[in-house]
Amino acid sequence: QSVLTQPPSVSGAPGQRVTISCTGSSSNIGAGYDVHWYQQLPGTAPKLLIYVNTNRPSGVPDRFTGSKSGTSASLAISGLQAGDEALYYCQSYDSSLSGYVVFGGGTKLTVL
Amino acid sequence: QLQLQESGPRLVKPSETLSLTCTVSGDSISSSSYYWGWIRQPPEKGLEWIGNIYYSGTTYYNPSLTSRVTISVDASWNQFSLRLSSVTAADTAVYYCARLIGGLHWKNYVDVWGKGTTVIVSS
Repeated sequence: QSVLTQPPSVSGAPGQRVTISCTGSSSNIGAGYDVHWYQQLPGTAPKLLIYVNTNRPSGVPDRFTGSKSGTSASLAISGLQAGDEALYYCQSYDSSLSGYVVFGGGTKLTVL
Repeated sequence: QLQLQESGPRLVKPSETLSLTCTVSGDSISSSSYYWGWIRQPPEKGLEWIGNIYYSGTTYYNPSLTSRVTISVDASWNQFSLRLSSVTAADTAVYYCARLIGGLHWKNYVDVWGKGTTVIVSS
């Protein structure tokens, strides 16, 4: 059971827009800790997609947009492409116990 | 360009200690700008943070693993290492080493990942 909750799967047709939610609590996202997103293509290591809630690293298309509000964050992907089919993970920090880095359970994006 | 490469035994017996090393090339592990960490991914499951280390030697561990984990830095070899004791089949996973950036432990995120190495715990 992950501290950050993501839907197991989402899907969309090419060209469409999808959103992936990441729901936390008052000890992580709700406490103001930043949210970061990673994309994991099949058989590869994860790759940084969004950092500090809304920022894209160099090379990440502006089709990928991050947002954060209250105890949740979202990743929106517009203009879906076949190459976007991957696992997506959110990451934040939780202040419970001694404090630790937490990941969401991951969301599988299928491009129909 | 920064590269991280994991190395170590791929097969570990139950109750023994898993040991992995991450060799950093293209940057100094002694940089005060970064943290260095380990993250694992069991088969068909999500990512689990194991722990981080700062160049000064300060460490941060996942509370669920803290009694079994040690992360250390060897600046002379530009490497950092993971030791996980008393392993069981549940520790079977792909282990990634990573560079983290953010300035403070609670602000960190991974900007560079190693390719990952599969470790199987089995007799």
